[in-house]
Parts: sequence; structure tokens; C-alpha cells
Amino acid sequence: QSVLTQPPSVSGAPGQRVTISCTGSSSNIGAGYHVHWYQQLPGTAPKLLIYDSNNRPSGVPDRFSGSKSGTSASLAITGLQGEDEGDYYCQSYDSSLSAPFGGGTKLTVL
Amino acid sequence: EVQLVQSGAEVKKPGESLKISCKGSGYSFTNYWIAWVRQMPGKGLEWMGIIYPGDSDTRYSPSFQGQVTISADNSINTAYLQWSSLKASDTAMYYCASARSISAAGYDYWGQGTLVTVSS
Repeated sequence: QSVLTQPPSVSGAPGQRVTISCTGSSSNIGAGYHVHWYQQLPGTAPKLLIYDSNNRPSGVPDRFSGSKSGTSASLAITGLQGEDEGDYYCQSYDSSLSAPFGGGTKLTVL
Repeated sequence: EVQLVQSGAEVKKPGESLKISCKGSGYSFTNYWIAWVRQMPGKGLEWMGIIYPGDSDTRYSPSFQGQVTISADNSINTAYLQWSSLKASDTAMYYCASARSISAAGYDYWGQGTLVTVSS
């Protein structure tokens, strides 16, 4: 049971917009720590998608964006494409001196 | 080009010891944290712990404290994850990842993963 809670699954049709939530607490996201998002496509290692809540590494399309408010964060994906299908994880830092991941969300492109 | 290259897949028996590695190249190894992440079959990512090779500062997840040991050898730019007595429940893919900060910037580079199978 992760301290960061994500919905198990989300889905959307090509071209649509989807959001994935990440709910934490006052000891992690609510304490002001940054949130990062990772994409894991089937059979591959995770890839950093968003860092420090709303920044994209070089090469990540601007279809991906992040936001944070209070004890929660969100990842938004616009213009959904088939290649976006995979698992998405949030991560933050915690006052227990660990850096937990959320449980993960499986994105299905219909 | 930054790369993290992990050691190959392992098949071990319960009770055996194991040390897997993660070799960094293309960056200053001692100036970046290296984290270890477990992914059990069909499950999500679990943060195990992290080391700063520059001064060997090491932190563990409470779930993994005492179960594994994280270390680094700066002379060969390599971080390690080791077990003294494996259990069947240690069967998983293990990833290493680099980070500029322990709490910010995310894990920007990842190794390819090392599959550990523990079976009698």
C-alpha cells in the first residue's frame, strides 16, 4: 500500500485528454516536496516524464503536463495517441526520508 | 551520453547471497545519487533506497531496511545492491536510476533492469 494513491486505470480515445491523479499527505506532497511522473511502456524501463511537478525533460512532448495543489498532483495527457498506452507512476519525497512511488495507473487507449 | 548498465539476469536458490551492479558512464558518478527500485512480476515500482557515491550517504525505505545493502565503488563508477539470504519473494526486476537530488529533479536516467529469479 503506497503512501501515494493513484487510480488503477484510466482510458481514453485517440485525440482525447486524460488526467491521472496522485494523492498524498502532509508528509509528502502537502509538505511542499516536488512530484515526478514516469511512463513505463510494456517491457521497458521507466522513463522520466515530468519532474518537479510541472517540468518536462528534453524530448518529452508538450502533450504531457503536470500540476500540483495541496496534497495532490495530476498528470494530463492531451491528444492521446496509441503509443501512450502503458503504466504511469507518480513519485514524491516523504518526511520519512524515503521517495515512494504511487501504485501506478494503467492507461488504455481505446 | 549518460548510461547506466546493469549486470545480467540471475537465477538463485533461497538462502543464497547475491550482489547485482549498476555501472554509470558519461557523467560525474560521484555527484549524482543512485537509487534502486524493485518491480515484482505484474506489480508497480517500489523505492528501495538510494546512495550518494560522493560520500556514501545511504538511505533505505523502511520496507527494505535490513533486507538489502546498497553500496558503491567510485573507482569503477559502480553501485551495488546485495542480499545475504535470498527469499522466493525477492523474485523481481530491479532497476537502478540516477538523480541529481534526493528530493527534486526526478530520476532522469535508468538502467535496463536486472531480473532476479529465486526458486528452489
